[in-house]
Amino acid sequence: AQSVAQPEDQVNVAEGNPLTVKCTYSVSGNPYLFWYVQYPNRGLQFLLKYITGDNLVKGSYGFEAEFNKSQTSFHLKKPSALVSDSALYFCAVRAHNQAGTALIFGKGTTLSVSS
Amino acid sequence: KAGVTQTPRYLIKTRGQQVTLSCSPISGHRSVSWYQQTPGQGLQFLFEYFSETQRNKGNFPGRFSGRQFSNSRSEMNVSTLELGDSALYLCASSAVIVSTSSGANVLTFGAGSRLTVL
Repeated sequence: AQSVAQPEDQVNVAEGNPLTVKCTYSVSGNPYLFWYVQYPNRGLQFLLKYITGDNLVKGSYGFEAEFNKSQTSFHLKKPSALVSDSALYFCAVRAHNQAGTALIFGKGTTLSVSS
Repeated sequence: KAGVTQTPRYLIKTRGQQVTLSCSPISGHRSVSWYQQTPGQGLQFLFEYFSETQRNKGNFPGRFSGRQFSNSRSEMNVSTLELGDSALYLCASSAVIVSTSSGANVLTFGAGSRLTVL
């Protein structure tokens, strides 16, 4: 069965510092991996995805994520956090051999950036 | 172009009632899927429709149902509401599914319909 784990319910960083939001996954075969962000009273917004190829994926708003197959991880990173990055972040996975577009999401990590 | 539109945004129901939620996908998107978001369970997949046919279904009781119309608009229905059905219901649309390789397609989510069951 597919699953996603986000081990931290909350991550706190100071503005200007680098941030990392962790994600590990379990899937049969090769994965498609996604990061989404949710602001209060809003739907999910797509940040970036890993399909294949380069392990470092760059996305929206200066975010990037590193795919590590041996560790089955897909951590989200940003070199310099902004207060406006404070939101709820979700990691999601879908197997390459899966029909359809259904995603398995992690529980989410609340990112809090202080000024 | 317009995004995914969900109506209503907020609604309050009482136990035993039923509710219908609506979703209009991005123009040209033929796949629509639904998710339930709760603080305890996070985001859980309900079902996916493509060309008016349910293609995938999550692990939810039969009280949860949906349908898709020829214009790709979708509705979901929850009958005999329970307190635990209180949640944010999110609809997402995606471009045409042609094969499993389309699994890289990005889902675009609506703002959600927040259901409160009293």
